[in-house]
Amino acid sequence: SQQGEEDPQALSIQEGENATMNCSYKTSINNLQWYRQNSGRGLVHLILIRSNEREKHSGRLRVTLDTSKKSSSLLITASRAADTASYFCATDTNAGKSTFGDGTTLTVKP
Amino acid sequence: GAGVSQSPSNKVTEKGKDVELRCDPISGHTALYWYRQRLGQGLEFLIYFQGNSAPDKSGLPSDRFSAERTGESVSTLTIQRTQQEDSAVYLCASSFDNAGNTIYFGEGSWLTVV
Repeated sequence: SQQGEEDPQALSIQEGENATMNCSYKTSINNLQWYRQNSGRGLVHLILIRSNEREKHSGRLRVTLDTSKKSSSLLITASRAADTASYFCATDTNAGKSTFGDGTTLTVKP
Repeated sequence: GAGVSQSPSNKVTEKGKDVELRCDPISGHTALYWYRQRLGQGLEFLIYFQGNSAPDKSGLPSDRFSAERTGESVSTLTIQRTQQEDSAVYLCASSFDNAGNTIYFGEGSWLTVV
């Protein structure tokens, strides 16, 4: 099974609303990263949070990490239609390689 | 180059034929990944190269799949005797090392097996 698993699988909201996506993982991590994928394109890095950090912000993005619950959340505030994409979390362990979840598909309706 | 470059961007092949997909990582990146993504699905790890270490091939789905990397540069993913189930986009990515640095993705090679 995947190291990182996002939920919900799909999320549909109105423009201006906030979108929250969650990621759970199984083993201890060094870092957790969130990526975005527009349909049919490669993934683009959004934000990295290290295992000793609890919260990070980047523009309209807010990421939290709870290592005791082995979970992270990505919050997109004041969503826009252009935020429509799939969002993936990736965890990187001592083994080095990063493992991705199945993603959350976000649809923001204008 | 400026980014991760993959070729071909699209490939249609007949069932049973072999295909070779190429990835040029960002210069200086020691870590290189191959992932497979079927339509509407998540990323499926295939193989990971890190410097001169033995590659992690644990994600290769069958012995029809193989990958090579020349030093810390170009990598090729070869699929022999392609099957329709191999139809997917194959994404290559690279990073500076394996210490939690940003992973940069190419635009992928779309493979359709007919």
